Amino acid sequence: SQQGEEDPQALSIQEGENATMNCSYKTSINNLQWYRQNSGRGLVHLILIRSNEREKHSGRLRVTLDTSKKSSSLLITASRAADTASYFCATDEAPSGGGADGLTFGKGTHLIIQP
Amino acid sequence: NAGVTQTPKFQVLKTGQSMTLQCAQDMNHEYMSWYRQDPGMGLRLIHYSVGAGITDQGEVPNGYNVSRSTTEDFPLRLLSAAPSQTSVYFCASRSGTEETQYFGPGTRLLVL
Repeated sequence: SQQGEEDPQALSIQEGENATMNCSYKTSINNLQWYRQNSGRGLVHLILIRSNEREKHSGRLRVTLDTSKKSSSLLITASRAADTASYFCATDEAPSGGGADGLTFGKGTHLIIQP
Repeated sequence: NAGVTQTPKFQVLKTGQSMTLQCAQDMNHEYMSWYRQDPGMGLRLIHYSVGAGITDQGEVPNGYNVSRSTTEDFPLRLLSAAPSQTSVYFCASRSGTEETQYFGPGTRLLVL
């Protein structure tokens, strides 16, 4: 079963605007990560936030985590055409039937930046 | 460093055939994992390894075998390919001291 669920499934904005994606999860976690996937490529790690953190920044990225609501958001400011990609949240909680390692991913948000 | 490499990039199989997807990493990472990604889905964990000689099942292990004879290599074997195994397969690795996973470029598998 999928742990994280991203919202929206797809997002199209103009270059220069901010993009916000949300992720919800179901069980307790130690950390939550966001990954980016360009079309036809592997995933690239963007940022990790631990369960005892509420907000984290990295360049144009801002991640928040609300453990009481089991949700996280990823904000990309001043978007660029190169930000066009799919974005996935991933938690360290083992999926049902899974084991002690590996990440549980959501279905992703497909972000399109219009020039 | 080459990071995580996967071969082949693309493979077509007939139902019932077997094959091995190769994965190697040169970062001396203890942990390695295999995921599959289906259209419109996130990645699902197939098998993982926490070190040489140690493997365990993930969320969707049926139809796949793995072994970890060295730290560097983590091959995924399809015993008898089925159309339901048509997917993109990603290998990932991480060190034991950080949670960030490093992904390979993927193998696209089509089972006819």
